[in-house]
Amino acid sequence: DTAVSQTPKYLVTQMGNDKSIKCEQNLGHDTMYWYKQDSKKFLKIMFSYNNKELIINETVPNRFSPKSPDKAHLNLHINSLELGDSAVYFCASSQETGANVLTFGAGSRLTVL
Amino acid sequence: AQSVAQPEDQVNVAEGNPLTVKCTYSVSGNPYLFWYVQYPNRGLQFLLKYITGDNLVKGSYGFEAEFNKSQTSFHLKKPSALVSDSALYFCAHLKYSSASKIIFGSGTRLSIRP
Repeated sequence: DTAVSQTPKYLVTQMGNDKSIKCEQNLGHDTMYWYKQDSKKFLKIMFSYNNKELIINETVPNRFSPKSPDKAHLNLHINSLELGDSAVYFCASSQETGANVLTFGAGSRLTVL
Repeated sequence: AQSVAQPEDQVNVAEGNPLTVKCTYSVSGNPYLFWYVQYPNRGLQFLLKYITGDNLVKGSYGFEAEFNKSQTSFHLKKPSALVSDSALYFCAHLKYSSASKIIFGSGTRLSIRP
């Protein structure tokens, strides 16, 4: 059983389209995250939810909208995709916020043409 | 600003030799520090963390890291490298703000040659 699973693994789309990435964790963790890894492998936190409540919202364009229907799921919807949105998006979870260990999904590679 | 720095983009080591991947920190108060590894086309995996206590922290896959307060460093080490250790390694710290978050360094690519 995969602990943190993301779908789709690969996503190729045109500029201007809207797309979603889904994430589910079966670890019973309270906190979930979205990180973005760019082409130079820099990892940057985007959002975090704790028990369905948004607790971290970095300076991300408002075209990005996370949604957490329950504490096991955190989805990422992106409107009006731009070339610069091309990246690998990682979902992660942890038992609580703070110094708890992050468990990452395998990533979703988004390519915007 | 609180941060961790990984001064080397790439480290090359021969199999069987000891390896070190460097990390320095600039964090106020007591730092919470981590090492994660990323294998190709995979998500990051936790290796070890320093919260408090013993300065030598042992982690997964035979890795260890030493917290050095005087040098503000948290270098990752392994006594004998394996080809399978080749991967991207990230140092990270816990940043306290309105909500705590783990912030990653720029990563170091470790290449172990047979």
